[in-house]
Amino acid sequence: AQSVTQLGSHVSVSEGALVLLRCNYSSSVPPYLFWYVQYPNQGLQLLLKYTTGATLVKGINGFEAEFKKSETSFHLTKPSAHMSDAAEYFCAVRGENTPLVFGKGTRLSVIA
Amino acid sequence: DTGVSQNPRHKITKRGQNVTFRCDPISEHNRLYWYRQTLGQGPEFLTYFQNEAQLEKSRLLSDRFSAERPKGSFSTLEIQRTEQGDSAMYLCASRQGGTLEQYFGPGTRLTVT
Repeated sequence: AQSVTQLGSHVSVSEGALVLLRCNYSSSVPPYLFWYVQYPNQGLQLLLKYTTGATLVKGINGFEAEFKKSETSFHLTKPSAHMSDAAEYFCAVRGENTPLVFGKGTRLSVIA
Repeated sequence: DTGVSQNPRHKITKRGQNVTFRCDPISEHNRLYWYRQTLGQGPEFLTYFQNEAQLEKSRLLSDRFSAERPKGSFSTLEIQRTEQGDSAMYLCASRQGGTLEQYFGPGTRLTVT
């Protein structure tokens, strides 16, 4: 069984500040890990994914995440927040032949 | 637009009515997924097709729900005798076999009154 815990349902940062969204996962098989972003009344867009290999993965819009197996974490970061980053962010995990399992999401607010 | 499309985008229905949603995946994608997302929650897996075969169904998919993908292209999700608890966003996603990334459609928002 797989599960995802996203710490903090709402994170608020100032424009230009560091963004850190936390994700911890549980998986009985080697995980594939994903971060998706959802803007209001829209579907989900993939930001980045970890499969194998390099544990620091870079995604779109300046986001990156680091897979830490020992901590079962896959936190999402961005050095400098922009107003357009305000959205809902979902961490998800899946195995080789299992469906995506999502966390409950973290809403990011960016304050001018 | 070559992305995943879903119709309708919004549906308001009265309790007890049947509703049907359609998903058109990216044309070369043979895998198709349905998810349900309620307010304040992440998407939850409902069912999965590989070509026309429905390979997996979640326990969330009660017997009032049925999904089809008759020709391995578009898919429909039908909810019979809708209940207020069915109010949610229904998301469709597709991917090509051998790849990991699922591409999501914009969703159909269902409101049951």
